[in-house]
Amino acid sequence: FEVTQSPSTLSASVGDRVTITCRASHSISSYLNWYQQKPGKPPKFLIYGASTLQNGVPSRFSGSGSGTEFTLTISSLQPEDFATYYCQQSYTFPKVSFGGGTKVEIK
Amino acid sequence: EVQLVESGGGPVQPGGSLRLACAASGFTFSNFAMAWVRQAPGKGLEWVSGFSRRDNNTYYADSVKGRFTISRDNSKNTLYLQMNSLRVEDTAVYYCARVSYYDILPGYQPYVWFDPWGQGTLVTVSS
Repeated sequence: FEVTQSPSTLSASVGDRVTITCRASHSISSYLNWYQQKPGKPPKFLIYGASTLQNGVPSRFSGSGSGTEFTLTISSLQPEDFATYYCQQSYTFPKVSFGGGTKVEIK
Repeated sequence: EVQLVESGGGPVQPGGSLRLACAASGFTFSNFAMAWVRQAPGKGLEWVSGFSRRDNNTYYADSVKGRFTISRDNSKNTLYLQMNSLRVEDTAVYYCARVSYYDILPGYQPYVWFDPWGQGTLVTVSS
């Protein structure tokens, strides 16, 4: 069970709507999580079950999808959102796998 | 406050060994599955090893199977990763993470995720 993210890099401006895609090699139902990582820091958990936001995560973040295709959307990009985002499938827990990451950089 | 603090990283020669530790606080350690995830310099996240939720079985990525051993001491609230026969490609920041979960319905696999994560410890394998 592999997960593939696209794009690997995304250039955007503050206020833009941003969408990141994660595709699974096999159906994983809704067992898909999203994390945000900033340089030199550990990943920060954002979303579980494909669409449920962790407490405290801003509502501009949203997740959707099921089966093999998933998206993370940031409705209006803020300066603190420039980071790398990873999806993670937990369908095969305890053996999980991460996508390769999507770096959101300033345009 | 829930906290995970890794230690034990450092430089090591190929073929050598290291033992990483992850000290947990702020939660009942014995009630949670735990995992190790690594990140090579400039690369993405790679799951390394973890415990299952219910039966405490251990699991490994193919890249480390037979060389790494995960263990835990619930009396010390500490997770370990014994790394033997280290290779240059094992160079990475190693993170420990708590496995959190949400039960959906009886008979269904729960949603699980990793939260929180420790700050990481760097392992450098080089001659």
